[in-house]
Amino acid sequence: QKEVEQDPGPLSVPEGAIVSLNCTYSNSAFQYFMWYRQYSRKGPELLMYTYSSGNKEDGRFTAQVDKSSKYISLFIRDSQPSDSATYLCAMGSGGTSYGKLTFGQGTILTVHP
Amino acid sequence: DGGITQSPKYLFRKEGQNVTLSCEQNLNHDAMYWYRQDPGQGLRLIYYSQIVNDFQKGDIAEGYSVSREKKESFPLTVTSAQKNPTAFYLCASSINEQGASPLHFGNGTRLTVT
Repeated sequence: QKEVEQDPGPLSVPEGAIVSLNCTYSNSAFQYFMWYRQYSRKGPELLMYTYSSGNKEDGRFTAQVDKSSKYISLFIRDSQPSDSATYLCAMGSGGTSYGKLTFGQGTILTVHP
Repeated sequence: DGGITQSPKYLFRKEGQNVTLSCEQNLNHDAMYWYRQDPGQGLRLIYYSQIVNDFQKGDIAEGYSVSREKKESFPLTVTSAQKNPTAFYLCASSINEQGASPLHFGNGTRLTVT
């Protein structure tokens, strides 16, 4: 079983839809949770960074962490064609692991006009 | 502008040849990383370095080598011992702190070995 599981999709939605992207994990040591967006033939860029359980909102994006269920989500409101990309969840345990992150497989999202 | 530069963007090599991928950063980050990305498998850590002249193996280090002689530079050599080298290679950097530091990525090098 992989430490981090992410539904690879692909996910196709109409413009304006609410998108929900999810990851589950098995390592209870994970304390830091991130979402990256990756456009085709580019490197991932950080979207959201959260520590421990709870919600964090940034514009149209909301990151949600439920440590008791070992489940994290990213919600995109009013989705736009420019949101079409691969979304990667990533997690770290901190401490001496520093920037060593474990990534999900990525979910391919297409938002069509 | 601060960032991470990877070169070249595309690289083609014949089987049996070693090849070196370049990674330079001007973010003044102490830590640097190499990840490999394959379709459907996410990112897997090859090597990482938290300070100059020191580096550690990641999850899939076999067939790869690195050096960290300067803070700004962390080149990756893909050797002929790497059984399946064709992939998208991503270099990243971060500050060194006790929390899990977000990674800043370059735009990758796509290596094709035939």
